[in-house]
Amino acid sequence: EAGVAQSPRYKIIEKRQSVAFWCNPISGHATLYWYQQILGQGPKLLIQFQNNGVVDDSQLPKDRFSAERLKGVDSTLKIQPAKLEDSAVYLCASSPRGLQDTIYFGEGSWLTVV
Amino acid sequence: QKEVEQNSGPLSVPEGAIASLNCTYSDRGSQSFFWYRQYSGKSPELIMFIYSNGDKEDGRFTAQLNKASQYVSLLIRDSQPSDSATYLCAVRSGRDDKIIFGKGTRLHILP
Repeated sequence: EAGVAQSPRYKIIEKRQSVAFWCNPISGHATLYWYQQILGQGPKLLIQFQNNGVVDDSQLPKDRFSAERLKGVDSTLKIQPAKLEDSAVYLCASSPRGLQDTIYFGEGSWLTVV
Repeated sequence: QKEVEQNSGPLSVPEGAIASLNCTYSDRGSQSFFWYRQYSGKSPELIMFIYSNGDKEDGRFTAQLNKASQYVSLLIRDSQPSDSATYLCAVRSGRDDKIIFGKGTRLHILP
């Protein structure tokens, strides 16, 4: 079974530029998550989708971050304009529907803002 | 605000000894509890999950859950140098299905 796919793996941009990350979850997984992990910290949930609807985006900085999940499958996370403090790993994860289901992470997209 | 608390460490344990990692959570409605291991530069990988009070064993790993005390722990027996990593505790809410992570505990196994 293929895992969660993410791209690009690494990205370096200048502040105020934009960047987009793509995620393809495990086939059949209804729930998709985007987490931000800053070095030395635990993953912080940015947004959670159930199929193509948003379940929670309370910690998504909506003035600069946006995310969508078209047709309930792939998802894109965009940052515009980027700030230095956005330097982090952006982890996509997916989970089958159900309260007792665990989540599976992709390899992550490493962003450095200079 | 739902929180998951872990001691950041580092926790240093001699090879062959038992490593004990602890986690507390604030949301009494939490239903599922997970331990992830994260090597430097890698994404988190699931070690164990536990839903019911008590102990759950899987090989060298034992997860312990006490919902009354809002406490979950992970024991690693016969610690190996390859166990050196950051261990993340994660909690899933029973109300909104959110999974919240702690900041992680860095574990060093001393050869």
